[in-house]
Amino acid sequence: DAGITQSPRHKVTETGTPVTLRCHQTENHRYMYWYRQDPGHGLRLIHYSYGVKDTDKGEVSDGYSVSRSKTEDFLLTLESATSSQTSVYFCAISEFFMVQSSYNSPLHFGNGTRLTVT
Amino acid sequence: AQKVTQAQTEISVVEKEDVTLDCVYETRDTTYYLFWYKQPPSGELVFLIRRNSFDEQNEISGRYSWNFQKSTSSFNFTITASQVVDSAVYFCALSENAGGTSYGKLTFGQGTILTVHP
Repeated sequence: DAGITQSPRHKVTETGTPVTLRCHQTENHRYMYWYRQDPGHGLRLIHYSYGVKDTDKGEVSDGYSVSRSKTEDFLLTLESATSSQTSVYFCAISEFFMVQSSYNSPLHFGNGTRLTVT
Repeated sequence: AQKVTQAQTEISVVEKEDVTLDCVYETRDTTYYLFWYKQPPSGELVFLIRRNSFDEQNEISGRYSWNFQKSTSSFNFTITASQVVDSAVYFCALSENAGGTSYGKLTFGQGTILTVHP
């Protein structure tokens, strides 16, 4: 199993409160991603990182911010949680290898964080 | 913009039946990756296969097989002799461009819920 740990696994919070989700990896992979999963939408990309302090927005980034101060940790913050942010959040990692034929490692996902905003 | 369509929302079969999950994609890029992931009832996302756009060879892995046809923009997944343990949500996904950051920016289909009855 890819070494990806998401914390917390479950969280219930109230509307308007800040929430931070953590993704920790032990694979030393450069690329990290946050996705959310909602019924009828599959998974959608929120933010991603291509290195320490290098991040960019995904498809559904409004209301979210991220930070990556170390290779192994990628934090997702909801500055002021809303009910529409109730979802399951997945972190994913990958690496790009330049060897005989350059390729990316398969994208592996953490076990998810179930967030409920009441 | 890229798009992935999984036409079957739910499929129900009896154990030992063969089942095919359809995936149709849209992209303007000539270089891309296609993926299948399995999400069992426990909730994690399990990587099944990755195929790049230049490799149209079909692949077989045990009871699983994949049929990639660029002419019809399809990447279908067949489970032969289905088992109860195959019950899960299956996602097809597309990544445009060959490597680096864009690789992990997946567009997912909505998922197909497969239920295998004993």
